[in-house]
Amino acid sequence: DTAVSQTPKYLVTQMGNDKSIKCEQNLGHDTMYWYKQDSKKFLKIMFSYNNKELIINETVPNRFSPKSPDKAHLNLHINSLELGDSAVYFCASSLSGGSNQPQHFGDGTRLSIL
Amino acid sequence: TQLLEQSPQFLSIQEGENLTVYCNSSSVFSSLQWYRQEPGEGPVLLVTVVTGGEVKKLKRLTFQFGDARKDSSLHITAAQTGDTGLYLCASHRSGTYKYIFGTGTRLKVLA
Repeated sequence: DTAVSQTPKYLVTQMGNDKSIKCEQNLGHDTMYWYKQDSKKFLKIMFSYNNKELIINETVPNRFSPKSPDKAHLNLHINSLELGDSAVYFCASSLSGGSNQPQHFGDGTRLSIL
Repeated sequence: TQLLEQSPQFLSIQEGENLTVYCNSSSVFSSLQWYRQEPGEGPVLLVTVVTGGEVKKLKRLTFQFGDARKDSSLHITAAQTGDTGLYLCASHRSGTYKYIFGTGTRLKVLA
């Protein structure tokens, strides 16, 4: 039973399109995250939600809009895709947002912009 | 800015060799975590260290948190091909929900 699942695993699309990535966790965690991992494997936080409330927006362009319909889901919608958006996007969750809490990651969505 | 610098960036060794990966910062952390990421997957937690000077062992992996809680190391004894992957240290930015990850060490263990 997958703990953090995100779909799709691969996304190939044209510049200027709009796309969404979905994430669900079945761990009963309160906090969920979106990360972007670039080609150099650097993992950077984009957003964090705690109980459906946005708590971190790490200066991400407003073309990126996260939505959390309930605490088990955190989706990411991206408008007007640009070449620089090509990356692997990871969803993660933790029991709470406090320190010492391990993060559980999905397997990533590889986004390629043509 | 709290940054976590890892070294080396890349490491290629033969099976059976020992290695050490370092994670350094100019800031003090309340705790630090190590993750391993394999190709096509998300990072998976290996260990959390909390106390300055703490040493934790996970089979052939030994993790140490520096006395001043600004640095950490991961030592692998008798590396195996299954240890191949990207090793990441991570911690919380003080007083926030924000996780920061280290710059990563890509380890390749050759048979």
